Amino acid sequence: EPEVTQTPSHQVTQMGQEVILRCVPISNHLYFYWYRQILGQKVEFLVSFYNNEISEKSEIFDDQFSVERPDGSNFTLKIRSTKLEDSAMYFCASSGGGAEAYNEQFFGPGTRLTVL
Amino acid sequence: SQKIEQNSEALNIQEGKTATLTCNYTNYSPAYLQWYRQDPGRGPVFLLLIRENEKEKRKERLKVTFDTTLKQSLFHITASQPADSATYLCARANYGGSQGNLIFGKGTKLSVKP
Repeated sequence: EPEVTQTPSHQVTQMGQEVILRCVPISNHLYFYWYRQILGQKVEFLVSFYNNEISEKSEIFDDQFSVERPDGSNFTLKIRSTKLEDSAMYFCASSGGGAEAYNEQFFGPGTRLTVL
Repeated sequence: SQKIEQNSEALNIQEGKTATLTCNYTNYSPAYLQWYRQDPGRGPVFLLLIRENEKEKRKERLKVTFDTTLKQSLFHITASQPADSATYLCARANYGGSQGNLIFGKGTKLSVKP
């Protein structure tokens, strides 16, 4: 069964460093998302991406964040200068779209980011 | 602002009983609600989607209802098993948002005791 994959599973970085989190969405999906979950808190939407551009972003997704789909398969989230409060689990998700945009979303296993 | 609230942080039940989880939303009625399961350290897994014009949806031992008058969805697991123990998340699309960006509740942690 097709699945969303994410690498690395765990990333430890120093405050102020840049990190890139990688995702491979399900191959025939059209919509891509990043969410984050701080330990013990709810899953929060960061950004959605469709047709090679951002379609929506939340207040969390400030200038320190960027997303890219550099080729036909990868979808990346970059944090330019990490802060302590960026420590969280980051989930990539994709959905098929099709006739109804509001389809189920398939989530990856997550990348746990720890900022020291 | 639109909110999703799952008022019970935890629910403990005995194996074989029916678990009922509650999700309440505020402001605009969402076009649909989704329910996900999340195990510790893992990503959410989609379970069911119910549209606002559907009163009830079923899938195997799962049942979801949508009451736009009460602004509430109920999620039932019948004949519960210890393997059903997990956190269950309710989610709505952000009203006016594109492509179904989801707003999640905090989740209800279900524990099914043998």
